[in-house]
Amino acid sequence: SQQGEEDPQALSIQEGENATMNCSYKTSINNLQWYRQNSGRGLVHLILIRSNEREKHSGRLRVTLDTSKKSSSLLITASRAADTASYFCATDAEGGNNRLAFGKGNQVVVIP
Amino acid sequence: NAGVTQTPKFQVLKTGQSMTLQCAQDMNHEYMSWYRQDPGMGLRLIHYSVGAGITDQGEVPNGYNVSRSTTEDFPLRLLSAAPSQTSVYFCASSYLADTNYGYTFGSGTRLTVV
Repeated sequence: SQQGEEDPQALSIQEGENATMNCSYKTSINNLQWYRQNSGRGLVHLILIRSNEREKHSGRLRVTLDTSKKSSSLLITASRAADTASYFCATDAEGGNNRLAFGKGNQVVVIP
Repeated sequence: NAGVTQTPKFQVLKTGQSMTLQCAQDMNHEYMSWYRQDPGMGLRLIHYSVGAGITDQGEVPNGYNVSRSTTEDFPLRLLSAAPSQTSVYFCASSYLADTNYGYTFGSGTRLTVV
């Protein structure tokens, strides 16, 4: 079943602004991952945060994880037109045998 | 190092036909999986494998069959295509041990069943 649920579903911002997306999940997890999908392409892994971590950075990406609220956020700072894509969160549930459950995705449009 | 290779990229089938979607990876990943992506539904897991000779069902396995005879290959078979199987299919692979690398996805197969 779908575990991750992203909010908001669609986001339109100006280049240079920050974009924030949220994801909630229902069960205990080993880790939570974020992926990007450009139109017509496969998903690309962006960042993984483990259940015992609270925050992680990678370049212009910042991910937070709150296991007590079962939620995560992805922040993209200083957005660029090339960041236009769909972003998915995915959870690796405890005892899930490495299976990832994906959310429905956030569509982000960065206007030059 | 090609990553995950899926063939074909596009396919049109008639209802009732069968076909195999191919997936191959050259990263020596133990774990391989098939997802389908439909508008507004996100990605749903069809079947997965944790190693050669081992397969298991995901969320939406009906109408699909898989096998894993080698570490590299994980084909997905549609037994008797139905219009409800019109979708974009993605193969993904990863190391089984917990790493920071996540899944590597193929570029997808866009399937239309008429």
